[in-house]
Amino acid sequence: EPEVTQTPSHQVTQMGQEVILRCVPISNHLYFYWYRQILGQKVEFLVSFYNNEISEKSEIFDDQFSVERPDGSNFTLKIRSTKLEDSAMYFCASIADRGNGYTFGSGTRLTVV
Amino acid sequence: GENVEQHPSTLSVQEGDSAVIKCTYSDSASNYFPWYKQELGKRPQLIIDIRSNVGEKKDQRIAVTLNKTAKHFSLHITETQPEDSAVYFCAASSGAYAGGGADGLTFGKGTHLIIQP
Repeated sequence: EPEVTQTPSHQVTQMGQEVILRCVPISNHLYFYWYRQILGQKVEFLVSFYNNEISEKSEIFDDQFSVERPDGSNFTLKIRSTKLEDSAMYFCASIADRGNGYTFGSGTRLTVV
Repeated sequence: GENVEQHPSTLSVQEGDSAVIKCTYSDSASNYFPWYKQELGKRPQLIIDIRSNVGEKKDQRIAVTLNKTAKHFSLHITETQPEDSAVYFCAASSGAYAGGGADGLTFGKGTHLIIQP
């Protein structure tokens, strides 16, 4: 079964540094998402991406965040200047059609120290 | 925006018994309601979903019911087994149909289901 692939699985970074989290969605999927989950808490929507542009973003997705699909396969989330509170598990997801269930990637655990 | 409330936060049931987890939502435009199972340290996995044009859906031991008028939906697991132990999340969005509003999922806070042997 096709999978959404995320790299790295774990990243430790110093506060104020930039990080890029990478995702390879399932090849025929058209809609891409980033979610985050702070340890022990619920999953929170960050941003959705379709047709090479952001279609929706949450209040969490402020100017420090950006997304890109640079080469037609990778889908990246960049955090420009990380804060301690950015420490969380970040999940990428993709779907072929809106209204279908998401396939989540295995996640990247980001630890900001 | 949408707000999803989920209860209970922890549910302990005897193996073989049924488990019911309930969620309410606030946005009447929401039309897609998935349920996810998350084992410790792993990704959320979709176990069942329901759209607003359906009142009930069943898949083997798992069923979901939706009451649009009351804005609540529930997950029912029958004949529970040890491998059902996990955190279960409900979610809602209004993006089930092309052109329909926001499509980000709003999740509930999760229910830790414990199956006692």
